[in-house]
Amino acid sequence: NAGVTQTPKFRILKIGQSMTLQCTQDMNHNYMYWYRQDPGMGLKLIYYSVGAGITDKGEVPNGYNVSRSTTEDFPLRLELAAPSQTSVYFCASRQGGTGELFFGEGSRLTVL
Amino acid sequence: QKEVEQDPGPLSVPEGAIVSLNCTYSNSAFQYFMWYRQYSRKGPELLMYTYSSGNKEDGRFTAQVDKSSKYISLFIRDSQPSDSATYLCATNYNFNKFYFGSGTKLNVKP
Repeated sequence: NAGVTQTPKFRILKIGQSMTLQCTQDMNHNYMYWYRQDPGMGLKLIYYSVGAGITDKGEVPNGYNVSRSTTEDFPLRLELAAPSQTSVYFCASRQGGTGELFFGEGSRLTVL
Repeated sequence: QKEVEQDPGPLSVPEGAIVSLNCTYSNSAFQYFMWYRQYSRKGPELLMYTYSSGNKEDGRFTAQVDKSSKYISLFIRDSQPSDSATYLCATNYNFNKFYFGSGTKLNVKP
């Protein structure tokens, strides 16, 4: 069972570069989320989606963009990377009507 | 004020000990309460999920919610080295947004 798959697992970016973190799920979940996790800070919601074509901002959306063209995929775009975006990024999905989030294994991003 | 506050630890206990992990939350509208377990360099996974005040038991784990004091707890009985992980409490009042505590790192020593 693949579940939620994130790529890449690790990436080093230079300041000002852009990149896309990929997330795909094979559970046919409508709801998908992007979180960032900084040491000692817990998980902060960046963006979420309630279905294909529908996205909304979370707590910390600045510097990021998302799109949701299919149920399976929810990529996160970083434009003009900054050192403050150094973090571990987690993608998650859930079935409607339940509170259980299924997380990917994370993407570790360093901006130098 | 943060939506959910959690003592970051770390917490170190001997094998077999009873572990108590705690969180407080600020918004009385929060209805659903969860505990996630996160092993090092892995994504969180759901451990316990409860809706109402009171206790919910699953094997060695008990989740407790006191809505009057906005306090949630996770108890682990007969702790094992395999329980060593970071435990995150979480809550929400609609299913779109989940608010997480900062996590408590637990180490169970053999």
